[in-house]
Amino acid sequence: GENVEQHPSTLSVQEGDSAVIKCTYSDSASNYFPWYKQELGKGPQLIIDIRSNVGEKKDQRIAVTLNKTAKHFSLHITETQPEDSAVYFCAASGDFGNEKLTFGTGTRLTIIP
Amino acid sequence: DSGVTQTPKHLITATGQRVTLRCSPRSGDLSVYWYQQSLDQGLQFLIQYYNGEERAKGNILERFSAQQFPDLHSELNLSSLELGDSALYFCASSVAGGGTEAFFGQGTRLTVV
Repeated sequence: GENVEQHPSTLSVQEGDSAVIKCTYSDSASNYFPWYKQELGKGPQLIIDIRSNVGEKKDQRIAVTLNKTAKHFSLHITETQPEDSAVYFCAASGDFGNEKLTFGTGTRLTIIP
Repeated sequence: DSGVTQTPKHLITATGQRVTLRCSPRSGDLSVYWYQQSLDQGLQFLIQYYNGEERAKGNILERFSAQQFPDLHSELNLSSLELGDSALYFCASSVAGGGTEAFFGQGTRLTVV
């Protein structure tokens, strides 16, 4: 089955700086890669996703890149703000037979004011 | 608000008891996923239903079972509860199966005492 590894497990950055979280996946059949943000006491919230036919996607301060050959994908947050502090999860899924989202272990991001 | 509704939000019960967690997916979503999140742990996939039928199974204990009803709401039944079953249980829904955006509910926090 799919295995997703996520690094780092914790990340502290100064407000205004950029944060990068990296994930690798094992199943070459995976073709959908979402990122979720989870705040304390809440459910995971989808913040951005990318499909295997796209190399990069951007939404305001958030961007995701995908390297299918290397089976790597990354989340980039620019101009970080205190409200970006949360746990971020990457995930991977594919088509029939591999539909479930397999999650990474999460990154606790802390923005230092 | 993701549109996915989970009830109850909190549940405290004794060891050996049985509980039922309920999930109402977003309108139009056919696929429902159940995940378990223990303290400071990642999201562990339990089971997926698609349009009333079981589609995929993860590391779900034999004491746990689920079903999806004709109106597409789903229930997760946990029996013979143990202390180690204490966790957050999340439901997510998506329009189809893999490769489509999955939206999570706010979760049910189960405490077994």
